[in-house]
Amino acid sequence: GNSVTQMEGPVTLSEEAFLTINCTYTATGYPSLFWYVQYPGEGLQLLLKATKADDKGSNKGFEATYRKETTSFHLEKGSVQVSDSAVYFCALGTYTDKLIFGTGTRLQVFP
Amino acid sequence: EAGVAQSPRYKIIEKRQSVAFWCNPISGHATLYWYQQILGQGPKLLIQFQNNGVVDDSQLPKDRFSAERLKGVDSTLKIQPAKLEDSAVYLCASSFNYGYTFGSGTRLTVV
Repeated sequence: GNSVTQMEGPVTLSEEAFLTINCTYTATGYPSLFWYVQYPGEGLQLLLKATKADDKGSNKGFEATYRKETTSFHLEKGSVQVSDSAVYFCALGTYTDKLIFGTGTRLQVFP
Repeated sequence: EAGVAQSPRYKIIEKRQSVAFWCNPISGHATLYWYQQILGQGPKLLIQFQNNGVVDDSQLPKDRFSAERLKGVDSTLKIQPAKLEDSAVYLCASSFNYGYTFGSGTRLTVV
């Protein structure tokens, strides 16, 4: 079946540190891959996406590359800010047009 | 472009009572989803509509949950009777061409 596995949090970093949040997936066919972010008290927002192997999604300094050989879509940012503190969800989009989410990873950035 | 509208924003009910949530998707989005997000977990798909037909309701607890999408636009999700474990945020989303947009959600507390 289709599933997404994310690293458990919380991830705690100092401002300007490098961020990696791991995400791996299991899927039939060729899914699209997404990262969503949920800031405290707010709804889910699309952060970035990639629709095929070797695609790189990027937004607001965040990047993730669709790696078919390792079935991964790790989220990275070179220098985090306090304002990046949120919960990050990795998700895959199936051929039947539905999103399957991971359990989420909480990021806490301290000044 | 207006976003996905949901109401109410918050609801507190006693167990065994009934409750209904409303969702208005983005105009022109044929696909509509209801997700349940329990605290500390990723969103779980409850039901997926394509226009006014159900595509997937395999994870909907049909003994107590029901959903409809009349005329292929607005949708309502109902719980009757509610249990303590139904406490969660209920998210509505709509999609067009594999672009998904989420509403702010309804936070349900069952006491």
